[in-house]
Amino acid sequence: QQPVQSPQAVILREGEDAVINCSSSKALYSVHWYRQKHGEAPVFLMILLKGGEQKGHEKISASFNEKKQQSSLYLTASQLSYSGTYFCGTELAGGSNYKLTFGKGTLLTVNP
Amino acid sequence: DTAVSQTPKYLVTQMGNDKSIKCEQNLGHDTMYWYKQDSKKFLKIMFSYNNKELIINETVPNRFSPKSPDKAHLNLHINSLELGDSAVYFCASSQDPASYEQYFGPGTRLTVT
Repeated sequence: QQPVQSPQAVILREGEDAVINCSSSKALYSVHWYRQKHGEAPVFLMILLKGGEQKGHEKISASFNEKKQQSSLYLTASQLSYSGTYFCGTELAGGSNYKLTFGKGTLLTVNP
Repeated sequence: DTAVSQTPKYLVTQMGNDKSIKCEQNLGHDTMYWYKQDSKKFLKIMFSYNNKELIINETVPNRFSPKSPDKAHLNLHINSLELGDSAVYFCASSQDPASYEQYFGPGTRLTVT
């Protein structure tokens, strides 16, 4: 039930764009995105809910294709501060699951 | 003010010992969690409490026992520690369990020797 993230790692230069994908084999109710810098705790970025509602940072954009059970996180005009490991967490549809299952993460490195 | 705090930050102990990790949140949230992050950075839910009631209890060894004395606190006690328990343990909280952002504590790095 663990979602699959791709790519595993990406290296960018400042100002470049990146897309991180998250896919599930099961129907989803929501997808959550977190960023974790080395040695620190994960920090919330965004939640995308079934039905189109989004909650999160204005500067981060993401999409959620409910039919394909996929989500993508769009990082545009990357800054050095974007570096870190990005995790998607998925909440299954149907019933009171309340459990987030995280993917293995995508390591993003932004170089000057 | 720290929103979610954990103590201790580092814990080094020998196999077979019993240890506890404490977590406190001052956000007024109803739901708290324990996650384990292994050396490969895999972040896995262990337990969750909502209003002091256990709502998520993943398949973890029964050597791990959570306890929530009140909504603001969630502790994790580990008996008979094993080498494989070495990991970073994160506490988190959210307003309620249904699709709200989770706020993570700074983590406790447990090393079992």
